[in-house]
Amino acid sequence: RKEVEQDPGPFNVPEGATVAFNCTYSNSASQSFFWYRQDCRKEPKLLMSVYSSGNEDGRFTAQLNRASQYISLLIRDSKLSDSATYLCVVNPGAGSYQLTFGKGTKLSVIP
Amino acid sequence: ETGVTQSPTHLIKTRGQQVTLRCSSQSGHNTVSWYQQALGQGPQFIFQYYREEENGRGNFPPRFSGLQFPNYSSELNVNALELDDSALYLCASSLKTGEETQYFGPGTRLLVL
Repeated sequence: RKEVEQDPGPFNVPEGATVAFNCTYSNSASQSFFWYRQDCRKEPKLLMSVYSSGNEDGRFTAQLNRASQYISLLIRDSKLSDSATYLCVVNPGAGSYQLTFGKGTKLSVIP
Repeated sequence: ETGVTQSPTHLIKTRGQQVTLRCSSQSGHNTVSWYQQALGQGPQFIFQYYREEENGRGNFPPRFSGLQFPNYSSELNVNALELDDSALYLCASSLKTGEETQYFGPGTRLLVL
């Protein structure tokens, strides 16, 4: 089983749609969780951290379920500018600062 | 922008050659991590440097080596290049206080022919 697995995608959605990305991780001791966004041929950029209580940043909502080792990202009212690859990222913690990335899910928002 | 810079932006090498990639971390950050991102894949952790010492290593062979300098800038060296080393090499800096947020540079795109 891969350490971090994401929906394979790609997701093609119309503007205004709501889209959800799912991610599972294998290391139950993992401490920190993130969603990064990566535009084509660019570096990954932190979109948001994910907390057990769930967190929201504008149109973006992230959820973490530690019991199921499951992370999600919900994007409401999709914009053309949301088109990118979304990377689920896990830090195993316990003094490690290594980030483990999923393969990414590509989102294309269509006019 | 994150303030993390990398050089060069692009590089073409042939099999068997050696390459050195450079990274300048964000001001105040003392930790640098290197990642390899093959086409269509997520970044894979190579190693991390903290205060000039290696602080963790991923599943990469010894021909991948690194350095961190007193000003916290860093180098990634790859010897005996193979075709599969063709990838985007990303450097990320962070402030090692328990906050794991890492800020990525724009990367160096390496092509091995």
